[in-house]
Amino acid sequence: GAGVSQSPSNKVTEKGKDVELRCDPISGHTALYWYRQRLGQGLEFLIYFQGNSAPDKSGLPSDRFSAERTGESVSTLTIQRTQQEDSAVYLCASSLARADTQYFGPGTRLTVL
Amino acid sequence: RKEVEQDPGPFNVPEGATVAFNCTYSNSASQSFFWYRQDCRKEPKLLMSVYSSGNEDGRFTAQLNRASQYISLLIRDSKLSDSATYLCAVNGNTDKLIFGTGTRLQVFP
Repeated sequence: GAGVSQSPSNKVTEKGKDVELRCDPISGHTALYWYRQRLGQGLEFLIYFQGNSAPDKSGLPSDRFSAERTGESVSTLTIQRTQQEDSAVYLCASSLARADTQYFGPGTRLTVL
Repeated sequence: RKEVEQDPGPFNVPEGATVAFNCTYSNSASQSFFWYRQDCRKEPKLLMSVYSSGNEDGRFTAQLNRASQYISLLIRDSKLSDSATYLCAVNGNTDKLIFGTGTRLQVFP
């Protein structure tokens, strides 16, 4: 079946612009995660959605970052007023339930000039 | 103390060598454990789950030591294609999976 998909695959933007990143999880997966990975660094947890529960936003680095998820489907991560330090790969993952195996999308490479 | 910790490496080993990585975790109630592999500029991919009794998949063996709160990954007969970063993942205090920062392996001819 189809895996996790993300769009766009690459995004170049100017400092101060807003960007929106999209994630389509595997069908039927109730849990969805967003991570940030800077070059040569580990995964930085951003936000976690589990079914209809309130999302765990504990990893969002500032109020410029927000995310939404429609039911158990598509999620969008929005970064407002982008800064150069936001440049990274943004990875989305989904899993059947909370602590199950996560399957990752290919990521969106964001470059802020 | 971080919830999940790994030695970042790099581990540089010759082809054919056996190499082992450990990953320590802080939550004694953790129940889910995984090893992922991440190639350069790619997304992480599941390598194997880690079961209480230990498990093996070809040249790869994963083990869990609950008493000392760590999981291990053993790679036998290393191949050039094993060069990658190996990430461990453990369910943490809030039950979501927490990833280690990864251990880099470089296998040389």
